[in-house]
Amino acid sequence: QSVLSQPPSASGTPGQRVTFSCSGSSSNIGLYPVHWYQHLPGTAPKLLIYTSDQRPSGVPDRFSGSKSGTSASLAISGLQSEDEADYYCAVWDDTLNGWVFGGGTKVTVL
Amino acid sequence: EVQLVESGGGLVEPGRSLRLSCAASGFTFEDYTMHWVRQAPGKGLEWVAGINWKSGTHVYAGSVKGRFTISRDNAKNSLFLQMDSLRIEDTALYYCAKGTQSLLYSTDAFDVWGQGTMVTVSS
Repeated sequence: QSVLSQPPSASGTPGQRVTFSCSGSSSNIGLYPVHWYQHLPGTAPKLLIYTSDQRPSGVPDRFSGSKSGTSASLAISGLQSEDEADYYCAVWDDTLNGWVFGGGTKVTVL
Repeated sequence: EVQLVESGGGLVEPGRSLRLSCAASGFTFEDYTMHWVRQAPGKGLEWVAGINWKSGTHVYAGSVKGRFTISRDNAKNSLFLQMDSLRIEDTALYYCAKGTQSLLYSTDAFDVWGQGTMVTVSS
């Protein structure tokens, strides 16, 4: 069981906005920036958001991240079928002295 | 093209050892931290170990500390993971990942990933 809590699933219809959270504590999200990764089964994970709200080049602006206190959120606007994937938050944890991933949120496009 | 290619996975008995390799190309390997991340069957991603650009600092997840050793050869653009005293719970797809910084700062992110190499620990 991860120290970062994510809802196991989220869903929406094409074009909708979907938002889900990553809940941590004062030893991780409360201190450090959060990164988000997109993972389609059978492929290499992809960095989606870094430093809580920055997009690497090539990532559509439909994806956005935010952080407040000990929680972070990822939003996908204009949901598309190709957005069906698992999404993981990750952050450094001072207590564990290493990086931790959330349990992942599976996004389904209805 | 920036690329990471893992190798060395396979089937191994509990208690035995295995050494994974990761060949990097398309970027200045020695300028960045490197990491190993794994995914057990049906489970989520788990960070395993990280190493800074000059190999001076290593960090490990508690689940592998004392059993796994991360290393790198900058002259050969290669990353390694020596896995000793393997346990059944080490069964996973192991990914090599490039960090975004040269030192193991808390802000490091993983911006390039390989396709992974499968390790199965079973008797």
